[in-house]
Order: sequence, then structure tokens, then C-alpha cells
Amino acid sequence: DTEVTQTPKHLVMGMTNKKSLKCEQHMGHRAMYWYKQKAKKPPELMFVYSYEKLSINESVPSRFSPECPNSSLLNLHLHALQPEDSALYLCASSQASGANTDTQYFGPGTRLTVL
Amino acid sequence: AQSVTQPDIHITVSEGASLELRCNYSYGATPYLFWYVQSPGQGLQLLLKYFSGDTLVQGIKGFEAEFKRSQSSFNLRKPSVHWSDAAEYFCAVGAPGFQKLVFGTGTRLLVSP
Repeated sequence: DTEVTQTPKHLVMGMTNKKSLKCEQHMGHRAMYWYKQKAKKPPELMFVYSYEKLSINESVPSRFSPECPNSSLLNLHLHALQPEDSALYLCASSQASGANTDTQYFGPGTRLTVL
Repeated sequence: AQSVTQPDIHITVSEGASLELRCNYSYGATPYLFWYVQSPGQGLQLLLKYFSGDTLVQGIKGFEAEFKRSQSSFNLRKPSVHWSDAAEYFCAVGAPGFQKLVFGTGTRLLVSP
């Protein structure tokens, strides 16, 4: 089973709200990723967690705060977002085998709208 | 640093016709190459990947891709397109030992009746 689940499917929030996106996988993968995708663009990497430790932060603004509570779960906490942060947020996971670029498996995404 | 070029922004193919989507990469060594497909508002689904070995790779949904080192290409092909293949297709390249994937800008496939 190569399933990554994401909740919620859609989220509408105001600029002063605090919300969280959730991602879960049960494939035993030890690397998890957050991507942001604007319309008609490729996904842009935001964060990578490897063995529950943050290994890559692509200079993402601090209003996005990732958290990896355990090897199966990845959260993205959102606070004081701007309208330009509206996008599809994708989660992915991979084995983190170390030597190779692992195959990343993506979830269905959360469509975020910031008003 | 790696880079990927997908020269066709969109392609229209008649249902039942063959398809080839182009992907050119830039990387100093043997790259790891992927093709993903994305339906509107959905996540990315892996179609196939190339790490090493046989340069003709078979994937899901009847797709295949051929790695050509001399041309720095990894083109995606399908012999007979179905209306359900209409989607955005992304080629991606990775470097051994690194977790980052570099995506191309995507090619939108339209299928006409």
C-alpha cells in the first residue's frame, strides 16, 4: 500500500487564524516532506523530515511551522498567513534509505484558501 | 545542480493516438529520474522511475519511458491514449544521496475525442 493521507481536503482561513494541516503514512517510511504548489506550477519543496528530525528547510517564512510527532505523522501549523499563501499543500513520504534519492509518494493535498 | 526542462507546456492528442512527452535533464552524473501525473486538484501519482539498469522503463497505466544518456532525455510514451489520461505530467530528477527532487514545469495533456 502506497498511501499517504492528508486532512483536511479543503481549508479556508482568515489572516489572523491558526490552523494545522495533517499528513499520515503507514508505509514505514522515515522521510516526510511538505510541498507547496501554486496553480499551473510544479510543487515547491518547503520542508523535509528525516527520522523525525528536520533536515531541510527551504527558507520558508516562520508563519509556517512543521512538526513531526512520530515517524507516521507530519503536521504543518499555520499562523498569520497571507492571501498569497493560498495554494495546494502536498505531503509526501519516502523510505529514507540514505544512499539513494528515494521514491517519494504523495498525498492528495490540502487546498488552502487564505482570505 | 540538477535542472529539468519540459519543452511542451501543453499537448493535444486524439484518443487512441500515441503519445510522447519530452523531458530533458541537466546533471553531471547518472540521475534518478521520475515521471508523475497529476489530475486537477489532486496529488501526484508516480508513473515510473529510472535509477539504473535497463534504459526502457515500464510504468503503470501502460506508460513507458526511455533513458537516453547521450541526449540527456527521459521521454514518456504511451502507444494509445485514453480520455482518462488527460492530466498534468511532471518529470523530476534527483541526485544520489540527496532528498530533493527537482521538477520540470509540467506538460498538460489534453485528449480530444
